[in-house]
Amino acid sequence: NAGVMQNPRHLVRRRGQEARLRCSPMKGHSHVYWYRQLPEEGLKFMVYLQKENIIDESGMPKERFSAEFPKEGPSILRIQQVVRGDSAAYFCASSPTGTSGYNEQFFGPGTRLTVL
Amino acid sequence: LAKTTQPISMDSYEGQEVNITCSHNNIATNDYITWYQQFPSQGPRFIIQGYKTKVTNEVASLFIPADRKSSTLSLPRVSLSDTAVYYCLVGISGTYKYIFGTGTRLKVLA
Repeated sequence: NAGVMQNPRHLVRRRGQEARLRCSPMKGHSHVYWYRQLPEEGLKFMVYLQKENIIDESGMPKERFSAEFPKEGPSILRIQQVVRGDSAAYFCASSPTGTSGYNEQFFGPGTRLTVL
Repeated sequence: LAKTTQPISMDSYEGQEVNITCSHNNIATNDYITWYQQFPSQGPRFIIQGYKTKVTNEVASLFIPADRKSSTLSLPRVSLSDTAVYYCLVGISGTYKYIFGTGTRLKVLA
């Protein structure tokens, strides 16, 4: 059973370009979470999605950031017009259910975005 | 929101038992306590989760006192490969969000 897959592992963009980060959850998981991690800091929640639905995007910046989890295919985190401050590691996690309490989230290896 | 407080860093030697304590004074009745481990350039990895008293698995034990305002992750006989950042998380009751603090950087020395 493959784990959470993320690609690319490393992404370099120039200021003003778009970044697309992909996440394939574990088989059988329909709940996906995106987190951002700056150097020497903990992970910050960005968005929680179920298939075709955004459940909570309270951690997402209001502009330039969007996320989707289509019926078919991976979840996508899109950052438009990237700026240097977007440089970070972006982690995707998945879980079989979305309930709190006993809810283990399985994390992918992350995508390291560098904005030049 | 139940914030957590952990020591920023700890050093230990191979073969020793390591105990990392986490404070979560505002934990809600239905919240669980979860610990994750993160190696450099990798995603966090689940270690253990519990609600009260004691939970043990093949890699760690989690001790939670009756008031649940703190918890202690115990790693028996650590090795060099246990050098990592350890995060204590409290699952927010009724939601799915985990709040990651800065974690505890454990360094295991030979």
